[in-house]
Amino acid sequence: GDSVTQMEGPVTLSEEAFLTINCTYTATGYPSLFWYVQYPGEGLQLLLKATKADDKGSNKGFEATYRKETTSFHLEKGSVQVSDSAVYFCVLSDLVSWGKLQFGAGTQVVVTP
Amino acid sequence: DTGVSQDPRHKITKRGQNVTFRCDPISEHNRLYWYRQTLGQGPEFLTYFQNEAQLEKSRLLSDRFSAERPKGSFSTLEIQRTEQGDSAMYLCASSLSTGPIYFGEGSWLTVV
Repeated sequence: GDSVTQMEGPVTLSEEAFLTINCTYTATGYPSLFWYVQYPGEGLQLLLKATKADDKGSNKGFEATYRKETTSFHLEKGSVQVSDSAVYFCVLSDLVSWGKLQFGAGTQVVVTP
Repeated sequence: DTGVSQDPRHKITKRGQNVTFRCDPISEHNRLYWYRQTLGQGPEFLTYFQNEAQLEKSRLLSDRFSAERPKGSFSTLEIQRTEQGDSAMYLCASSLSTGPIYFGEGSWLTVV
């Protein structure tokens, strides 16, 4: 079945550092890919999405490009802030079963001043 | 606030008791989803509705679990004869067909 693998955390960074969270997927069809973020004590928020190969999703300084050839959707941000401390989930959804999301295990990011 | 709302936010119950969670989706969203998340893990799909029809159920949803969406608006998730292994956060989400999926803040269940 479809699955998502993302790098384990925690990832600890200093403010203004560059962030990369690796994510790869396995899917039989042509999934849409998402990054969701969960801030401490809060629910899941959609951070960005990409629906087809070579699409780039971006939001709040974060970017991820849907790479079909490497089955990857790595999340990047050029300069992180303390407020970016959260758990980030790489997520996949097939169009046929839209909303039946397949989540990665999550990567905790801790940004220190 | 027009987001997905869930109630109650926290529930502590004794083993063997029944609990019910309610979810109010974003207005006009025809799809509604339930997920379960345990500490340190990503959410796992439980079931989803399109309008009032329940279209798919995960095998995680044992016969002690039942979900309804009687009028195609709010939904309830009931767990009968709770067990300690049911302790988790229960997340509700909604979408307009194949549009973006928005989550509520979740309902924490602790079974003691």
